[in-house]
Amino acid sequence: EDQVTQSPEALRLQEGESSSLNCSYTVSGLRGLFWYRQDPGKGPEFLFTLYSAGEEKEKERLKATLTKKESFLHITAPKPEDSATYLCAVPGETSGSRLTFGEGTQLTVNP
Amino acid sequence: DTGVSQDPRHKITKRGQNVTFRCDPISEHNRLYWYRQTLGQGPEFLTYFQNEAQLEKSRLLSDRFSAERPKGSFSTLEIQRTEQGDSAMYLCASSWNRAGELFFGEGSRLTVL
Repeated sequence: EDQVTQSPEALRLQEGESSSLNCSYTVSGLRGLFWYRQDPGKGPEFLFTLYSAGEEKEKERLKATLTKKESFLHITAPKPEDSATYLCAVPGETSGSRLTFGEGTQLTVNP
Repeated sequence: DTGVSQDPRHKITKRGQNVTFRCDPISEHNRLYWYRQTLGQGPEFLTYFQNEAQLEKSRLLSDRFSAERPKGSFSTLEIQRTEQGDSAMYLCASSWNRAGELFFGEGSRLTVL
């Protein structure tokens, strides 16, 4: 069964305090890893796609990286508006059309 | 384009009643997905359509659940004889031929009393 594990479950940072979120997966033959942001009461919002080990994507204060077994979402000098739950997801081994999501990391950035 | 819209946003019902949710995807998207999310969990795949064809269903989708996408446009998700365990956020998403880069709606939250 496809497994996606995110850590930590929750993270509190002070504004400007950089950190990283982790997403590890067990699916072999990775066909992409996807990061989403979800605000309370809203649907997830797509952030990044990573396809191969060593690949990096950046958007404002966020940078996503990928290795063979995990991905990191680095947050540099976060602001309170970066507070959200960050989800990662991978396509299934048996079905590439369905995504398996991790449980997410709830990030809180205090001013 | 206003994105993916879902209706209703909130639904409270009594156990045993039927409920129906509607999703209007981004107009040029050919794929439409339904996911379910409970508190503190990531979304779980339920089913997906390519145009009007339902191509895949999760084992989570019991006989009480049915989804349609007539004419390849909007979609409906019906839950018959609701149970308390059906309480969740039902998320609709659409894409153009991509399984991973999905555009989600704001969800329909179901509470079964």
